[in-house]
Amino acid sequence: AQKITQTQPGMFVQEKEAVTLDCTYDTSDPSYGLFWYKQPSSGEMIFLIYQGSYDQQNATEGRYSLNFQKARKSANLVISASQLGDSAMYFCAMREPSYNTDKLIFGTGTRLQVFP
Amino acid sequence: DVKVTQSSRYLVKRTGEKVFLECVQDMDHENMFWYRQDPGLGLRLIYFSYDVKMKEKGDIPEGYSVSREKKERFSLILESASTNQTSMYLCASSIDRTDQGYPEKLFFGSGTQLSVL
Repeated sequence: AQKITQTQPGMFVQEKEAVTLDCTYDTSDPSYGLFWYKQPSSGEMIFLIYQGSYDQQNATEGRYSLNFQKARKSANLVISASQLGDSAMYFCAMREPSYNTDKLIFGTGTRLQVFP
Repeated sequence: DVKVTQSSRYLVKRTGEKVFLECVQDMDHENMFWYRQDPGLGLRLIYFSYDVKMKEKGDIPEGYSVSREKKERFSLILESASTNQTSMYLCASSIDRTDQGYPEKLFFGSGTQLSVL
């Protein structure tokens, strides 16, 4: 079963508008972490934001915020005031504990296109 | 800044060849990971290592092996390359999870696009 689900293969948004990228997850572990990464066309993976399962507040990093709804098991990324440079693939990921170290499990990604 | 370096950006190999993908990190990270990225499938974990000479299988280890003889270097080996191993390969590293309060943030290399003909 999918542990991280991103249901939007592609999204379009106009410059300066806000956009929400969806992510749902599945885990029975009470302690987990959720991440968002951005991958521009150059291929590098850029860390954007992190939310811990015990964090009381939704995480924010500049124009990025994470809409964390624990009961719904969703961790949507909100990008405010979109810029042309935000056009990229966006991946949601979840920390999955294993015996020796934790590992990240990724979703299938959402391609965001920002148009003028 | 953490730097994770993958030896080749593009690689073309023939079916049946033995292929080595090299990854080096310069921040003394304990953990290193190999993912492959395919359109519509996202990133899938192949193998990871939590210490020198220690390794653990990820979700899709078949057809791959790894080597970690030194802390900074993690190699992915395709014993006999096949066309279905054509993909983008991403290496990543992270610090040990026992560092309290630090999220398991991965630092990625820029990827190796492998084509097997």
